[in-house]
Amino acid sequence: EVQLVESGGGLVKPGGSLRLSCAASGFTFNNAWMSWVRQAPGKGLEWVGRIKSKAHGGTTDYVEPVKGRFTISRDDSKNTLYLQLSSLKSEDTAVYYCARELWGPDYWGQGTLVTVSS
Amino acid sequence: DVVLTQSPLSLPVTLGQPASISCRSSQSLVHSDGNTYLNWIHQRPGQSPRRLIYKVSNRESGVPDRFSGSGSGTDFTLKISRVEAEDVGVYYCMQATLWLTFGGGTKVEIK
Repeated sequence: EVQLVESGGGLVKPGGSLRLSCAASGFTFNNAWMSWVRQAPGKGLEWVGRIKSKAHGGTTDYVEPVKGRFTISRDDSKNTLYLQLSSLKSEDTAVYYCARELWGPDYWGQGTLVTVSS
Repeated sequence: DVVLTQSPLSLPVTLGQPASISCRSSQSLVHSDGNTYLNWIHQRPGQSPRRLIYKVSNRESGVPDRFSGSGSGTDFTLKISRVEAEDVGVYYCMQATLWLTFGGGTKVEIK
């Protein structure tokens, strides 16, 4: 059974940083492309970015509003995906989901809430 | 950027009746590999999203056959043949042909 468990969310001040983790199990993690998707309170879904498998270069892509501020990485030895958030703004407040990608996200975690507020 | 426009925004439905949601793309979603990466996502209140349909018309394992997807190019439709109580929530179309974007969502509720 595919399982994705996010952690690391919390309250952070504007300009601050946070690192989210996503522990994966039930599939061959090192072969998977992985994404982060966020959802602001009461709003729709927004793709944040992805990291390809190392077999496909391990490269990352990001949506424009987070470029230069967010970094996605992976540790295949630990079956874990990361999202480093920095220079946070109030508009980054959201539930952050990690998701496995197969022709788009197919399995999603339960999400972790990031609140950016002074 | 690919923009996905869903309609309607809200869809009150009667139990047992059909429902239909439209998703229109700002550009063709046919990938250079010949596939069309248009998916449908369902999110129940307070829950994580779940993919129902991938590549226009393929149901995920465990998805009831009352759900069907169709369309091509820039116009796509999700149909529910007979709405059940568990079908409430928000439905999103999502494309993975050019980067990844979501439609704005359609809220399905029971009348």
